[in-house]
Amino acid sequence: QQQVKQSPQSLIVQKGGISIINCAYENTAFDYFPWYQQFPGKGPALLIAIRPDVSEKKEGRFTISFNKSAKQFSLHIMDSQPGDSATYFCAATGLLGGGADGLTFGKGTHLIIQP
Amino acid sequence: KAGVTQTPRYLIKTRGQQVTLSCSPISGHRSVSWYQQTPGQGLQFLFEYFSETQRNKGNFPGRFSGRQFSNSRSEMNVSTLELGDSALYLCASRIGRLAGAIQETQYFGPGTRLLVL
Repeated sequence: QQQVKQSPQSLIVQKGGISIINCAYENTAFDYFPWYQQFPGKGPALLIAIRPDVSEKKEGRFTISFNKSAKQFSLHIMDSQPGDSATYFCAATGLLGGGADGLTFGKGTHLIIQP
Repeated sequence: KAGVTQTPRYLIKTRGQQVTLSCSPISGHRSVSWYQQTPGQGLQFLFEYFSETQRNKGNFPGRFSGRQFSNSRSEMNVSTLELGDSALYLCASRIGRLAGAIQETQYFGPGTRLLVL
């Protein structure tokens, strides 16, 4: 049973536009929601993360919006650049057990920024 | 600080063989987790080790095992390899706790790409 659903699977955005990727989760025990960026041949790298006590977190051009009641969160990439072309994964985990549960990942979004 | 390192980077095995992958976490990190990444199933959690103890395991058969040494380095082993075990195996490390607070950020290595023929 997939516990984190991510959409869209692929996304094409023009340079300078806004890229939006959405995720929904089922497990109410999740309380840590990171986004990872992965380039071909590399491991995932943490972009930004949020805890459920805030509804939005911004770091540079990257913003996470979080809706606890709807159990949804999204990544917004402002002023998207060709260098942002990568695969993006949302993830979730519960920290109650000291973080031992491991991250549950969405299936990923292949983002292409067209120049 | 050096990042998470994994060896080997590439590996080719045949069905029925076994394989051992190695992971060196970031210095000072005591938690090591392993993930399997495939095109079909995506990224899936295998297990997590902290202070040489396995604290949790994902939904994988017993052929997948691991261990952690006193220096926090970790190995994972897959016995009786199957074609479906072909994947990128990723190791991630995190501090664990800092001043009593859970440090949740996981840092991933580049992975070991395993091909089973």
